[in-house]
Amino acid sequence: DGGITQSPKYLFRKEGQNVTLSCEQNLNHDAMYWYRQDPGQGLRLIYYSQIVNDFQKGDIAEGYSVSREKKESFPLTVTSAQKNPTAFYLCASSISGLGTQYFGPGTRLTVL
Amino acid sequence: QKEVEQNSGPLSVPEGAIASLNCTYSDRVSQSFFWYRQYSGKSPELIMSIYSNGDKEDGRFTAQLNKASQYVSLLIRDSQPSDSATYLCAVNKEGSGNTGKLIFGQGTTLQVKP
Repeated sequence: DGGITQSPKYLFRKEGQNVTLSCEQNLNHDAMYWYRQDPGQGLRLIYYSQIVNDFQKGDIAEGYSVSREKKESFPLTVTSAQKNPTAFYLCASSISGLGTQYFGPGTRLTVL
Repeated sequence: QKEVEQNSGPLSVPEGAIASLNCTYSDRVSQSFFWYRQYSGKSPELIMSIYSNGDKEDGRFTAQLNKASQYVSLLIRDSQPSDSATYLCAVNKEGSGNTGKLIFGQGTTLQVKP
């Protein structure tokens, strides 16, 4: 089946820890995106990548880092510098930068 | 003013009625418009995309775009309890350097009562 997978589904982080969220797609999409959603809010863009080995900051990149070493994979690291990381994290991909975006199932991160 | 605005609701309609969801956007260069449905605790799923003025129909769903008024809406005919969800409006600005950056509204919660 083609699609976007995210793991883990739930993640708990202690104060001061870095954690990495996985996002993989087998749709052969060029562009990939990371969003954050807080309760009752819309989605806010963290980072995006249009091609391998290149990525750009979105609106709320502080405290996050990404890599794009493979077309299929776009992992997000939530660093200890992110002061309020508890949120629902969504990965999306599209054929190109202007294509329709499709979302993975999401990772719910909670800080203990 | 937010770039994309939606009434958070909840919008409550009886089963079988037409649900009308509205979205306004502030940037006139916006070219692509999307409606996503999000069930509680789940990720957004695409319902409709619309790029030109007028109506676009897909089954029970109709998207309407009026660029002059900077307004996009989603009509759901014959609403079903399974349509109860949050509907997110998203706008892609051509002027953002072809980045594919979507600006999302905060979503409208729809409740369809049996």
